[in-house]
Amino acid sequence: DAGVIQSPRHEVTEMGQEVTLRCKPISGHNSLFWYRQTMMRGLELLIYFNNNVPIDDSGMPEDRFSAKMPNASFSTLKIQPSEPRDSAVYFCASSRQGGNQPQHFGDGTRLSIL
Amino acid sequence: EDQVTQSPEALRLQEGESSSLNCSYTVSGLRGLFWYRQDPGKGPEFLFTLYSAGEEKEKERLKATLTKKESFLHITAPKPEDSATYLCAVQAADSWGKLQFGAGTQVVVTP
Repeated sequence: DAGVIQSPRHEVTEMGQEVTLRCKPISGHNSLFWYRQTMMRGLELLIYFNNNVPIDDSGMPEDRFSAKMPNASFSTLKIQPSEPRDSAVYFCASSRQGGNQPQHFGDGTRLSIL
Repeated sequence: EDQVTQSPEALRLQEGESSSLNCSYTVSGLRGLFWYRQDPGKGPEFLFTLYSAGEEKEKERLKATLTKKESFLHITAPKPEDSATYLCAVQAADSWGKLQFGAGTQVVVTP
């Protein structure tokens, strides 16, 4: 079975540019989560969706970050404009509906903002 | 505020040398405690979910246990392929879907 698919795997761009990260969740999973991982702060939840609707975006650091889920099989996380402190690994995860279902992670996008 | 503390930060084991990792948590009602394994350059891989004190789960050389304040991940007779960072996460009863992760324990098993 295909797992969570993220693209691109690596992104290097200059400060001020727009960055778009993409995620395809596991088929049949109703919940989707975006995380950021850094050495200093570990894994932090940014936003999550249930049935394509954003439920909690309290982890989104600033208005420069936005996320959408136009359908059950696709989500994007956008940073505009990007800053060097946004450099991190961004993970997408999905789970079946239900509060205690395990989340399954993609392999992440390593983002470097110069 | 929910908190998850993992110890030790790093653990170096000889092949076959059993050990345990600790995950201490404070949460206002536990819905579930999750263990993940993360290899370099990869996303966290789900291992176990524990729901209530006294529960135990096993998978190959790994066994996870849960009390009201902490969880242990026991690695029995580890092999080099068990080398990874092990992450613990808790889900509070009032925070649907949200996981609070610990910083992880990096385990290195040498032949």
